Amino acid sequence: DTGVSQNPRHKITKRGQNVTFRCDPISEHNRLYWYRQTLGQGPEFLTYFQNEAQLEKSRLLSDRFSAERPKGSFSTLEIQRTEQGDSAMYLCASSRTSENSPLHFGNGTRLTVT
Amino acid sequence: AQTVTQSQPEMSVQEAETVTLSCTYDTSESDYYLFWYKQPPSRQMILVIRQEAYKQQNATENRFSVNFQKAAKSFSLKISDSQLGDAAMYFCAYRSGINDYKLSFGAGTTVTVRA
Repeated sequence: DTGVSQNPRHKITKRGQNVTFRCDPISEHNRLYWYRQTLGQGPEFLTYFQNEAQLEKSRLLSDRFSAERPKGSFSTLEIQRTEQGDSAMYLCASSRTSENSPLHFGNGTRLTVT
Repeated sequence: AQTVTQSQPEMSVQEAETVTLSCTYDTSESDYYLFWYKQPPSRQMILVIRQEAYKQQNATENRFSVNFQKAAKSFSLKISDSQLGDAAMYFCAYRSGINDYKLSFGAGTTVTVRA
C-alpha cells in the first residue's frame, strides 16, 4: 500500500489559464473520488469514478471542470479558464467497492489563482 | 441532502487530558455510516474511527471513542490521554448506506494540545 499520490502538490496560475492535476489511487482500489477543500472548511464532493466510469458529478463542478479516469487507474482533473474562486485544495481519495470501505486520501493539490 | 454540523471551531486540551468533539447530522435514512477524520497541518486526511448506524455499540480505537446517539443524530468523538500528535483538524463525516460513494463533511474542529 503506497497510498494515494497527487501531483503537483502546489500550483500557482494566472486567471484564465488551464490547469491539470493528477491522482494515482491505491492500486487495488476501483473507486476514485475528487473533493475540493477551501480554507477552514470541510471537503466538498466533486465527482466519483467506479473503475473508468464517472458515475456522479456535483453541481459544484461547473462546465469548466472535467475529470477523467481513462483506464480505471489514475485520474486527471482539469480546470479550464481558471478563476480566483477556484483557489482551493483539491483532494483525491480512493477506496474499494466493498461496503463501508474507508476512503484513503492523498495529500492534495493546492491551487492558487492570481 | 445530508448536513453535518460541527459547532466547535476550536478546542484546546492539556496534554494527557480528555477532550470531546461534537457532531450532529441530519438525515432521513436509517442505514448510514459515520466517520471521524483527522487532518494534521499540511498532511493528508486519515481515518480515525467509524461507526455503522445499525450497531448500537459505540466504536473504540485505542484512545479514541465515540458516543453515538442515533435518535438525537449525534456523533461525538472523545480523545483520551491527549498527546501532542493529536493536534489537527478533525472532521466528522456522513456516508449514506444507499449512495455509499459520497462523504458529507462537517466544517471541522481544530484541536490544539497544550504541553
